[in-house]
Amino acid sequence: GQNIDQPTEMTATEGAIVQINCTYQTSGFNGLFWYQQHAGEAPTFLSYNVLDGLEEKGRFSSFLSRSKGYSYLLLKELQMKDSASYLCAVNGATNKLIFGTGTLLAVQP
Amino acid sequence: ETGVTQTPRHLVMGMTNKKSLKCEQHLGHNAMYWYKQSAKKPLELMFVYSLEERVENNSVPSRFSPECPNSSHLFLHLHTLQPEDSALYLCASSQENPGPYEQYFGPGTRLTVT
Repeated sequence: GQNIDQPTEMTATEGAIVQINCTYQTSGFNGLFWYQQHAGEAPTFLSYNVLDGLEEKGRFSSFLSRSKGYSYLLLKELQMKDSASYLCAVNGATNKLIFGTGTLLAVQP
Repeated sequence: ETGVTQTPRHLVMGMTNKKSLKCEQHLGHNAMYWYKQSAKKPLELMFVYSLEERVENNSVPSRFSPECPNSSHLFLHLHTLQPEDSALYLCASSQENPGPYEQYFGPGTRLTVT
């Protein structure tokens, strides 16, 4: 079957670094996406990885290891506005996104 | 208007009502999607339209009926819904074949079935 696992909740401190992990088992792989979703709002695109390695975009970085079925999203210099759900999604064999349940991140002062 | 818009933002309907959700994308994309988002569950893909043809129907009950009259507009027609259908319904669009494939979401319609 198809499965995407992420921690349900995480807490971190303003100014710190947090890593949100995602593991996946899918019948095919055409890339992995990370989305941010604030409460009551639409998910917004953060990053896309299709090759192994690290993609950096400002305070956010995303890493992919296809052999391990593993990705992480790294958030640096955390700000209060980073409190949100972070969704991991895999573009599987059918070329459609399969989403995890999301990780609810709470940033504390 | 920019991006992906959805109307209405909130909808309360009885089980015997008929209503429609509307989505419009202003990004020039060629694929559109309907998702259901329930509390504590992953986003569930319901329907996919690519170049105005339905290419995916994820075992969705027939009380949900999609319509895609052109590449910019997508509707979800609702009738005789059940209370468990209460959820956030999200529309998204993307550019496919070629990519880049990332999906852009609308703000969603919060549906409550009474």
